[in-house]
Amino acid sequence: KQEVTQIPAALSVPEGENLVLNCSFTDSAIYNLQWFRQDPGKGLTSLLLIQSSQREQTSGRLNASLDKSSGRSTLYIAASQPGDSATYLCAVRHEGGGNKLTFGTGTQLKVEL
Amino acid sequence: AAGVIQSPRHLIKEKRETATLKCYPIPRHDTVYWYQQGPGQDPQFLISFYEKMQSDKGSIPDRFSAQQFSDYHSELNMSSLELGDSALYFCASSLGAVGRGQPQHFGDGTRLSIL
Repeated sequence: KQEVTQIPAALSVPEGENLVLNCSFTDSAIYNLQWFRQDPGKGLTSLLLIQSSQREQTSGRLNASLDKSSGRSTLYIAASQPGDSATYLCAVRHEGGGNKLTFGTGTQLKVEL
Repeated sequence: AAGVIQSPRHLIKEKRETATLKCYPIPRHDTVYWYQQGPGQDPQFLISFYEKMQSDKGSIPDRFSAQQFSDYHSELNMSSLELGDSALYFCASSLGAVGRGQPQHFGDGTRLSIL
């Protein structure tokens, strides 16, 4: 059974700092990995999707990397802003798991002024 | 751009009642997914449909059923509601016809509260 873990569970940083969020998964036979952002009580906003054949994806201040063989992904946020405060979730689509996404436990990020 | 639309946004029910949640996918998306997110938990996959047929099944209770209609919208029917069903229910859609590499796009969810 695929298990997805995110470290740290919570993170507080001053504005302007660069930061890295970590995601690890137990079964490396994944089809792709998706990073999401969730504001309190709100829906999931897709940030980046990395296919299993890719090493990284970039969108603005966000960069996600994938090391499939070691079961790891990182989300790098450059020059953090208070508006980045949210919970960040990674989710994997397993090769043999049909269509479903298996989500990580999330990292709650707070960027302080 | 059009997003996934879910209705209602909020729903309050009592134990043993029934509820129906609706999901309208992004235009041209043919695959719909349902997820349940309990308080402080990560989303858990319930069920998915591709071209109106069930394509995958997760931890959906037998009290729940779902279907996808000819216009690709989907409904999640929940019966004999229990306190533990209180959660945020998300619907997501994707272009399944072009392979499983497509991202899933999520709606804002329906917050179901059972009294």
